[in-house]
Amino acid sequence: EAQVTQNPRYLITVTGKKLTVTCSQNMNHEYMSWYRQDPGLGLRQIYYSMNVEVTDKGDVPEGYKVSRKEKRNFPLILESPSPNQTSLYFCASSPERGVLTFGAGSRLTVL
Amino acid sequence: SQQGEEDPQALSIQEGENATMNCSYKTSINNLQWYRQNSGRGLVHLILIRSNEREKHSGRLRVTLDTSKKSSSLLITASRAADTASYFCATVRNSGNTPLVFGKGTRLSVIA
Repeated sequence: EAQVTQNPRYLITVTGKKLTVTCSQNMNHEYMSWYRQDPGLGLRQIYYSMNVEVTDKGDVPEGYKVSRKEKRNFPLILESPSPNQTSLYFCASSPERGVLTFGAGSRLTVL
Repeated sequence: SQQGEEDPQALSIQEGENATMNCSYKTSINNLQWYRQNSGRGLVHLILIRSNEREKHSGRLRVTLDTSKKSSSLLITASRAADTASYFCATVRNSGNTPLVFGKGTRLSVIA
């Protein structure tokens, strides 16, 4: 089944404890992206990647890192999480200029 | 920066009525896409319309695109309670390697 898989789905952590949210797609898509969704703010793009080893900042990159060493994986790294990073995170992938396939979401709470 | 802006922010209708939501954007586009999101879940693609198309249909969905006004509309006909969700437009720009940019969405409530 064609899908985007992100883990963990739910996570409660504490301020400053590094965490990684993994994202993997099995559709050989070039483009991958991370979004965060907060009430009243819609989806805001954190980082995106047009292909392997190519990543760019989105609208809200502060406090996040990404890497794209393989085509299928695009992990999101929070080096030192803070409470303002409590959010619902989505990973998505698509062929170039195509339709996005979204993961199921990762709900992160930072205490 | 958010390219697409949906209007209205929220819409409440009775089952069987039609629902129309609008999207405005700022720059020239390659295509415009509409997505649906059930509460707290991932977005699901509904329909894609290219910049050289003016109207597209898919089941009960009708999308129009007016590139001169930089706007699009999504019409859901004969709405059902199951259509209750948030709807987002997203644009792919025409130049360079630029990502899909989403608006803030329209929250649709269909009352049975």
